[in-house]
Amino acid sequence: EVQLVESGGGLVQPGGSLRLSCAASGFTFSSYWMHWVRQAPGKGLVWVSRIHSDGSITNYADSVKGRFTISRDSAKNTLYLQMNSLRAEDTAVYYCARQRSGSNFDLWGQGTLVTVSS
Amino acid sequence: QSALTQPASVSGSPGQSITISCTGTSSDVGSYNYVSWYQQHPGKAPKLMIYDVSNRPSGVSNRFSGSKSGNTASLTISGLQAEDEADYYCNSYTGSSTPWVFGGGTKLTVL
Repeated sequence: EVQLVESGGGLVQPGGSLRLSCAASGFTFSSYWMHWVRQAPGKGLVWVSRIHSDGSITNYADSVKGRFTISRDSAKNTLYLQMNSLRAEDTAVYYCARQRSGSNFDLWGQGTLVTVSS
Repeated sequence: QSALTQPASVSGSPGQSITISCTGTSSDVGSYNYVSWYQQHPGKAPKLMIYDVSNRPSGVSNRFSGSKSGNTASLTISGLQAEDEADYYCNSYTGSSTPWVFGGGTKLTVL
């Protein structure tokens, strides 16, 4: 089955760190750009980061630049998001998504909730 | 990069048509034919409905259509059905170091 499954969310204190994972299956993971998108409780979707199919290019939203690092392991078919110096405003459901082509984000995971609170 | 502008809410009766607008700038929506639309039901992941302005993925009803004029993209849903009630988000490529931006979302209510 073609799917993305996120994990690694949870409760973390402000200033803390967390690493999210997104396990891909059913398709050739190494052929696609991959993205992280987040959604704060009751709010809209916000693009967070992307990584090229071979990991050579990464981009970040200004709000997370310097604190978050996106990476991928093609041997494990897994996408990661290392989140450091977490703030209350980083509280959100984090989704990973596959970019099939152009603006075609055709496959999404179910999301993992990150709560930053003391 | 500022979020694209969408109306907070729209509504329509079953069988009617509605249109949701998504306004950007000449740096994003106006410059690229890379606009997509997503449907999200409460507690669920987003679902792709339209990509590259007007293309419909396999399995998406032909009641959904997309278009663009200048800096504004639009999603039209014809023959409204109860199951169309959801939040809808647009997304556009920006060509900048923050390459993708979403709209603020529109809540569609089917009366």
